[in-house]
Amino acid sequence: GAVVSQHPSWVICKSGTSVKIECRSLDFQATTMFWYRQFPKQSLMLMATSNEGSKATYEQGVEKDKFLINHASLTLSTLTVTSAHPEDSSFYICSARALRDSRYGDIQYFGAGTRLSVL
Amino acid sequence: GQQVMQIPQYQHVQEGEDFTTYCNSSTTLSNIQWYKQRPGGHPVFLIQLVKSGEVKKQKRLTFQFGEAKKNSSLHITATQTTDVGTYFCAVATSGTYKYIFGTGTRLKVLA
Repeated sequence: GAVVSQHPSWVICKSGTSVKIECRSLDFQATTMFWYRQFPKQSLMLMATSNEGSKATYEQGVEKDKFLINHASLTLSTLTVTSAHPEDSSFYICSARALRDSRYGDIQYFGAGTRLSVL
Repeated sequence: GQQVMQIPQYQHVQEGEDFTTYCNSSTTLSNIQWYKQRPGGHPVFLIQLVKSGEVKKQKRLTFQFGEAKKNSSLHITATQTTDVGTYFCAVATSGTYKYIFGTGTRLKVLA
């Protein structure tokens, strides 16, 4: 099956610093990538949809300037949490879809997630 | 915004008992997907349902899409300890490529 790599898996940072999370599709071209946030024992909350070659579409209530998303290529999307604060501590997960690749169909393949702790 | 509720929120069963989780949407869906997330892990795709009334089976798992395409269910027959985890439905409405996740059902299986 398709593989999505997410890095780093765990990061601790000081309040006020920025953190970049990378999401890569390793064996397929991801025309669309999604970024989710998950609090302990809760569901996944969609933050934004990222399409290759265009600006990300953010969900209502998600600050664009706070969570910068760049879909640089068909295999890479990055999420940068700018000026992180303790309330930004969470589990961030990316997923990728390969609509143009019939081998994988209309399925989201998830990265392993990044656990962010802001001190 | 669109709300996707799953019931129950938690379920504890004895190994060998059956388990069912229900997913309900306030709007008509174009398709629905089911995922399983193990504790500490990430969601793993299980199945996708597209047609009204569709029923699909994967070994001990049976998935059903409602006739009105607003609800779905996942049934596990004779649960095993390996079934432990949280089961999420993820729904998509027509005209959009994004999926909204349900609230999830956390399953614990007691040996």
